[in-house]
Amino acid sequence: AQSVAQPEDQVNVAEGNPLTVKCTYSVSGNPYLFWYVQYPNRGLQFLLKYITGDNLVKGSYGFEAEFNKSQTSFHLKKPSALVSDSALYFCAVRDGNTGKLIFGQGTTLQVKP
Amino acid sequence: GAGVSQTPSNKVTEKGKYVELRCDPISGHTALYWYRQSLGQGPEFLIYFQGTGAADDSGLPNDRFFAVRPEGSVSTLKIQRTERGDSAVYLCASSLSVTELYNEQFFGPGTRLTVL
Repeated sequence: AQSVAQPEDQVNVAEGNPLTVKCTYSVSGNPYLFWYVQYPNRGLQFLLKYITGDNLVKGSYGFEAEFNKSQTSFHLKKPSALVSDSALYFCAVRDGNTGKLIFGQGTTLQVKP
Repeated sequence: GAGVSQTPSNKVTEKGKYVELRCDPISGHTALYWYRQSLGQGPEFLIYFQGTGAADDSGLPNDRFFAVRPEGSVSTLKIQRTERGDSAVYLCASSLSVTELYNEQFFGPGTRLTVL
């Protein structure tokens, strides 16, 4: 069965510092991986995806993610955090047959000024 | 262009009542998904449609839950005899096609259902 783990409930960083939000996955077959962000009382917004190709994926709002097959990880990164990046972040893996997304538990990112 | 819309944004009902939640996907998107998000959890898959047919309803928790998409566009999630445990945010998402692996899903704002 496909699964995703986000080992940190919360990540705290200071504005201007680099941030990393961790995600590991377990899949049978090729992994199709996604990051979404959720602001309070808002729906999920797509940030970026890995389907194939370059292991470093660039997405919206300056975010990027590094796919590491040997470590089965897909960590979200940003070189310089903004206070406005504070939100709930979800990693997800796509079921190849149905297209449904299997989400992690989410990580709250808190960026302090 | 308009995104995925969901109505109502909030629904408060009493235990045992029937509710309908509506999703209007992005125009031209043939794949439509319903998820449920409980407090402090990630979204959990309920059902997905490719066109008018429910291609996978394996996530529906029991037979009180049912969803339709009669014309391949708008979808309605129906919950009978609601229970307090049904309280959650119900999210709808659409994508261009389920067969294209690189198509991301676009989510609506959700309907927050509260069962008293």
